[in-house]
Amino acid sequence: LAKTTQPISMDSYEGQEVNITCSHNNIATNDYITWYQQFPSQGPRFIIQGYKTKVTNEVASLFIPADRKSSTLSLPRVSLSDTAVYYCLVGALSGNTGKLIFGQGTTLQVKP
Amino acid sequence: GAVVSQHPSRVICKSGTSVKIECRSLDFQATTMFWYRQFPKQSLMLMATSNEGSKATYEQGVEKDKFLINHASLTLSTLTVTSAHPEDSSFYICSARDRGSLQPQHFGDGTRLSIL
Repeated sequence: LAKTTQPISMDSYEGQEVNITCSHNNIATNDYITWYQQFPSQGPRFIIQGYKTKVTNEVASLFIPADRKSSTLSLPRVSLSDTAVYYCLVGALSGNTGKLIFGQGTTLQVKP
Repeated sequence: GAVVSQHPSRVICKSGTSVKIECRSLDFQATTMFWYRQFPKQSLMLMATSNEGSKATYEQGVEKDKFLINHASLTLSTLTVTSAHPEDSSFYICSARDRGSLQPQHFGDGTRLSIL
């Protein structure tokens, strides 16, 4: 399974755009990139998923370069409630396997 | 959207007790579910893969006789912590994915297990 590397922590202020980059040099051809958000004492919550180029939904954008060895989660105009741990994971989605191995994640602290 | 329900959300019990945690996919069928454990200030650690109708696959270092997993239907997997001791106290989280589709895994809200 591809290993991911993220910054351990990041600070931001309300209203700013936050970009969290994840490195996954050994990503396999059939691996997708998925980002989750976790608040204390809760399970991870799905944010966004992609395979290549750019994906955007109502809460975030995901940028994936052509070589797919990294990805960047972009959170527009963060608020205090976005303070959480963000995990980048890679894994296959096809078939009935697709286990995900969590890295250390990025703790985002949003300040007023 | 897809929802995974976990029950109970919190358990406090005496040492030596066996505790069962349920994980249900509410609006989809999941051939495979996953069980994780998370200690304070740490990331999630995959314990085992629960396979419907067959034996679970345990990660290295996880005792299969300690953590019994049963996946009897396409919407329910259970994790039983047998003869629990204080060192088993942790946050247990399950996840599931809609089978046969390119959907992401969805996680339950976790079970806080405290062994006295």
